[in-house]
Amino acid sequence: NAGVTQTPKFQVLKTGQSMTLQCAQDMNHEYMSWYRQDPGMGLRLIHYSVGAGITDQGEVPNGYNVSRSTTEDFPLRLLSAAPSQTSVYFCASSAGTGSLETFGSGTRLTVV
Amino acid sequence: GQQLNQSPQSMFIQEGEDVSMNCTSSSIFNTWLWYKQDPGEGPVLLIALYKAGELTSNGRLTAQFGITRKDSFLNISASIPSDVGIYFCAGFPSSNTGKLIFGQGTTLQVKP
Repeated sequence: NAGVTQTPKFQVLKTGQSMTLQCAQDMNHEYMSWYRQDPGMGLRLIHYSVGAGITDQGEVPNGYNVSRSTTEDFPLRLLSAAPSQTSVYFCASSAGTGSLETFGSGTRLTVV
Repeated sequence: GQQLNQSPQSMFIQEGEDVSMNCTSSSIFNTWLWYKQDPGEGPVLLIALYKAGELTSNGRLTAQFGITRKDSFLNISASIPSDVGIYFCAGFPSSNTGKLIFGQGTTLQVKP
C-alpha cells in the first residue's frame, strides 16, 4: 500500500514563481489536509477537504490555493511564492473528519 | 486560535533513562494523539487517547488523557538510540469541526 504520496520531495523556487505540490492517497479516504511545519511551531493546518468538490481554510491559508476534483488527489498551489513560504509541507488523509490521519513523507520547499 | 503547549522543547538523555513529556491546553479536547517524526519523514501515530483518564501503553510508551481533558503526557521507558526524533502531541478540540491541532514538538536525543 502506497498510503499518502507527496511529490516532489524537495523544491527550490524563486520569489514570485508558482508551483503545485502534489498529494495522492490510495486508501479511499474522504478527508485530506495540508500542513506546514516550521521550527518550534509544530504543524499548522493550511487547507483541508472533507470530500471531492469541498475545500475549506485552515489556520494559515493565505498564499495557498487547493482543489479536490477527485477523492484521491489534493494538490496545493502556490501562486506567487514568497520567502515566508519556505517550510516543510505535509499532506495527510483520514477516513473522515475527526478520524486518525496518515501523513505523507513531506515536501521541503525553499523560496529564495 | 487554540494552542497546545508542549514541554520540554528538547531533551538530551542517556540511553536507558526514562523520558516524560507533556502537553497542556486552555481548551477541552475530545481526543489526544501522540506522534513521532523521524528525520525526513512525516509524523507517525504512536498512541491515541479518547477518554478522560485513559491510560494507554504501546510497548515502552505510555500515554494518559488528563482528567480535566486539557492535558496529556507521554512517557518512554528505558530509552534506546532509535527513540531519537521529534515527538508531537496533537488533539481534536471539543469546540471545532475536527481540525487537528499540534503542539510545538519535543526533540529527543539519546546518547548511547
